[in-house]
Amino acid sequence: KAGVTQTPRYLIKTRGQQVTLSCSPISGHRSVSWYQQTPGQGLQFLFEYFSETQRNKGNFPGRFSGRQFSNSRSEMNVSTLELGDSALYLCASSPTGRENYGYTFGSGTRLTVV
Amino acid sequence: GDSVTQMEGPVTLSEEAFLTINCTYTATGYPSLFWYVQYPGEGLQLLLKATKADDKGSNKGFEATYRKETTSFHLEKGSVQVSDSAVYFCALRPVSGGYNKLIFGAGTRLAVHP
Repeated sequence: KAGVTQTPRYLIKTRGQQVTLSCSPISGHRSVSWYQQTPGQGLQFLFEYFSETQRNKGNFPGRFSGRQFSNSRSEMNVSTLELGDSALYLCASSPTGRENYGYTFGSGTRLTVV
Repeated sequence: GDSVTQMEGPVTLSEEAFLTINCTYTATGYPSLFWYVQYPGEGLQLLLKATKADDKGSNKGFEATYRKETTSFHLEKGSVQVSDSAVYFCALRPVSGGYNKLIFGAGTRLAVHP
């Protein structure tokens, strides 16, 4: 069974640009959540989508947005990139988002802003 | 708000040594608790979990017991191997505050030498 797939694996962007990251969840999983990992702030929750609706959002500026499609694939977008947005972005999927058995993470997209 | 505190690393051990990584939490109610592991260049893998007080999670020789009285979930392994070298994250899923949201500790890097 295929895992959570994130594309691209690596990305280099310039300050001020925007970027879109993609996440394909495990087949049958309808909940997708996103996390930002940086050396300084650690792992921080960005947002969670279920059936194309954002159900939960972390404490990030409005430059960070996302969406989910009818096939459960999700994208996140960061506009007007800043140097501090350089991070590993991880997505995780689960069947409904309410499970207590943990979530399956992808390998992440490494974003570097120069 | 809810939070997780982990012992600072790095932790450096010789092969076959005993491992303990301390994790304490602050949370409302009885959150679910998790340990995730991250190998270099990869995403997070669920190592073990516990969903209620006194539960013991175990996997691949690792164990952790949910202690409500001390709000702790320490990770232990009796005999570490070089292949256990990775970063370990303690996490909780809050009882309230939204869906599919994990709050992570800062992570503890483990280095095992032959």
